[in-house]
Amino acid sequence: GAGVSQSPRYKVTKRGQDVALRCDPISGHVSLYWYRQALGQGPEFLTYFNYEAQQDKSGLPNDRFSAERPEGSISTLTIQRTEQRDSAMYRCASSATGQLNTEAFFGQGTRLTVV
Amino acid sequence: EDKVVQSPLSLVVHEGDTVTLNCSYEVTNFRSLLWYKQEKKAPTFLFMLTSSGIEKKSGRLSSILDKKELFSILNITATQTGDSAIYLCAGGGSNYKLTFGKGTLLTVNP
Repeated sequence: GAGVSQSPRYKVTKRGQDVALRCDPISGHVSLYWYRQALGQGPEFLTYFNYEAQQDKSGLPNDRFSAERPEGSISTLTIQRTEQRDSAMYRCASSATGQLNTEAFFGQGTRLTVV
Repeated sequence: EDKVVQSPLSLVVHEGDTVTLNCSYEVTNFRSLLWYKQEKKAPTFLFMLTSSGIEKKSGRLSSILDKKELFSILNITATQTGDSAIYLCAGGGSNYKLTFGKGTLLTVNP
């Protein structure tokens, strides 16, 4: 696609429900990142994929959070048993190569609200 | 733990003013410093800096990195209302992770 696409754009869910957030990176991009951004804050790193391999998941806050990228393209970030503190903007970014810190392009994000 | 600190957190100027945004970093195995502009949608890439002392320029925007003092600045000359946004700075280390600062909210009034 022309840019990084995330869906849904907005998600409201009840506390305790599971949610799955989708990221469709720019076609051919090797690296895929997930970030979480609270209001008034910069993006906070969650996890990183190189092709289908999850290279770094050190930013995932706890074991309710998981991510996968099974075919090295689309990625899903899953949050189980959501809590109100999970409410935030979840952003995905992709970059063209596996080179360190190549320019990353961001998607428009999924605004998650847990009520 | 890697850390990126931006200052000021917010800034209000008039059209035509020149602004300087600051970013200091502590990043393990530092490789690069990136600047992004965030409006209502996704952050958009501005600059990536890897070498000290070499200014990068794009129109009215310019940026430079000082790897000895561990900081970068982003300059915007002749500001316009369209420059109003949050400017994000991110430090990248050898572990692929970009550590972002909280951002500087720039408001340019007509």
